[in-house]
Amino acid sequence: NAGVTQTPKFQVLKTGQSMTLQCAQDMNHNSMYWYRQDPGMGLRLIYYSASEGTTDKGEVPNGYNVSRLNKREFSLRLESAAPSQTSVYFCASKTENNQPQHFGDGTRLSIL
Amino acid sequence: RKEVEQDPGPFNVPEGATVAFNCTYSNSASQSFFWYRQDCRKEPKLLMSVYSSGNEDGRFTAQLNRASQYISLLIRDSKLSDSATYLCVVVGGSQGNLIFGKGTKLSVKP
Repeated sequence: NAGVTQTPKFQVLKTGQSMTLQCAQDMNHNSMYWYRQDPGMGLRLIYYSASEGTTDKGEVPNGYNVSRLNKREFSLRLESAAPSQTSVYFCASKTENNQPQHFGDGTRLSIL
Repeated sequence: RKEVEQDPGPFNVPEGATVAFNCTYSNSASQSFFWYRQDCRKEPKLLMSVYSSGNEDGRFTAQLNRASQYISLLIRDSKLSDSATYLCVVVGGSQGNLIFGKGTKLSVKP
């Protein structure tokens, strides 16, 4: 049982390039999330999808777009990468309200 | 007041010590609470849920004080492998999103 799978695990981009981070879960969870984690900042929610077909902004959505492709997959897109988007990105999912989230093992993204 | 606040530490303790972490939250309507553990350069992993009556899992005990909006985690007989960052998590908002504290770093020394 793979849980939450993120690809790629590492990526280096140049400023202005675009990139899509992929996330898939095999736990039949309804809700999916994208976070970024920076030193001293903790986890910050970028976007989330409470159910298939819906997406909502989190705390730091600027510069990102998302697509909930189906119940399993939730992708995060950087249209024009900026150095400020250098971070570790985590995808997570959960089944319903008041339940804990399960995380993927992260994508380490560097933008030069 | 921040939504979830934790002492960032680091807490440096010897093996075998008992250590306690505290966390406060601002939303009195929050219903669910968790402790996560995050190892260096790894993803957060669920350590335990926190129940109103308090709950224990081996060497770990979690407590909730709703009146004071305060959550605690007690680790007894610390092991080297307990070294990690511990994240206090509160479920908040209409969508049930998890709100993470910034974490408390624990370092257990031989």
